Order: sequence, then C-alpha cells, then structure tokens
Amino acid sequence: DGGITQSPKYLFRKEGQNVTLSCEQNLNHDAMYWYRQDPGQGLRLIYYSQIVNDFQKGDIAEGYSVSREKKESFPLTVTSAQKNPTAFYLCASSIGVGEHEQYFGPGTRLTVT
Amino acid sequence: GENVEQHPSTLSVQEGDSAVIKCTYSDSASNYFPWYKQELGKRPQLIIDIRSNVGEKKDQRIAVTLNKTAKHFSLHITETQPEDSAVYFCAASLSPRQGGSEKLVFGKGTKLTVNP
Repeated sequence: DGGITQSPKYLFRKEGQNVTLSCEQNLNHDAMYWYRQDPGQGLRLIYYSQIVNDFQKGDIAEGYSVSREKKESFPLTVTSAQKNPTAFYLCASSIGVGEHEQYFGPGTRLTVT
Repeated sequence: GENVEQHPSTLSVQEGDSAVIKCTYSDSASNYFPWYKQELGKRPQLIIDIRSNVGEKKDQRIAVTLNKTAKHFSLHITETQPEDSAVYFCAASLSPRQGGSEKLVFGKGTKLTVNP
C-alpha cells in the first residue's frame, strides 16, 4: 500500500475555515489527481495535474484550489466557498495521463460543522 | 463531455454464482475502460482494463467485454467468493493522442455482496 500517502486520515473544521489536504507520492509519477467520493456518487474529479507547475480543473473544481510545486506533492485546499465540503477525498497518481493505472491514496475524511 | 452510467447500483449473489456489472458511455471516441475495486475502508485498486481495439479480456475469474457499437462494457466475475464483496467502479477515457482530455470519468459504482 505504500507509494502514495494522504494525511490526515480524519480532519474536522469549522464552517468558514480553509483547510489543506496533503498528498505525497514517491512513485516518480508525473500525473496526480484529486477526487471527491460521496455515497452513491462514485468518484468525481476535482483537479488534476499532468506535470509540475501545471494543473487543470476537473468536473467539480468550484470552491477548491491546488498547487503542484513539486513532483511528489499535490495539496488540495478546500476553501470556505465550497458549499458542501464534508466528504471523503481521494488522491491518486499515475505514470502519465490517459491509459495508465491510477494508484490511490488511503483518503482523508473531512467533516465541516 | 463523457458520461458513464453504471448498473446495477447494488448486486447480491450467492457464493459460487456469477456476477455481471454493466456500464454505458456516451463518447464513441472513448478508447480506454478500466475497472476499479474498492473494499470497505480501503482505497480503489485497478482489477482489469480493456482498450477499444479488443473485444474481451480475461484474468482468472474476472473478464471484461466491450461492445463499441452499443457503447457498453461489462465486468463478469465467475465463481464468486465472499472476498469479492466490494464496490466496483467502471470508467472511461479518451486518449490525449486522439484529442481527449486525459481524465477518467467514473460510473457511480456497484456494491457487490457475495453471500456465503
């Protein structure tokens, strides 16, 4: 299960606060992704990055921001503009984009009250 | 953009029976179709994938079939075992070499329960 890690496993925040979720990989992968998983909704793409210093919006990017300053790291910030931030967040990485296996991290469960 | 529909949302079978999960996609140019398995409390993991130049692919008790004309693909699990119980996700993507957006679009998942 090593190779891609997320921290913390559980995160609690008050409404109105920004929060940053960590994602680190030591697989030397160029591509990294953030997904949101809600019951019955599958995996919905928030942001993805093909290479360092580059990233693109996914299907539900509103209220989120990312950075890709290092190949190994792809942190996700959940801002106060995200209307329904409580969810399970999964980070993934792959050798490249497209037809490549994505390796997922263990996830972070964020609860905002 | 691509849209992936997955059915059924839940499936319960007896141990030893077969299980079939079906997905349809909207973009006829999609050419890569992976299946991921997520056991309770664990991360999703790739179990099998198929590309559009192949109609069927098998790996032990798991097989995937692709019908490009009908734009649907299916996961078949034979001789199911309790450890097959999990949520299964299908996905589709269009290769960037063919002008695609590189991203995977996932179905909403099927919760499979294998009863001993």
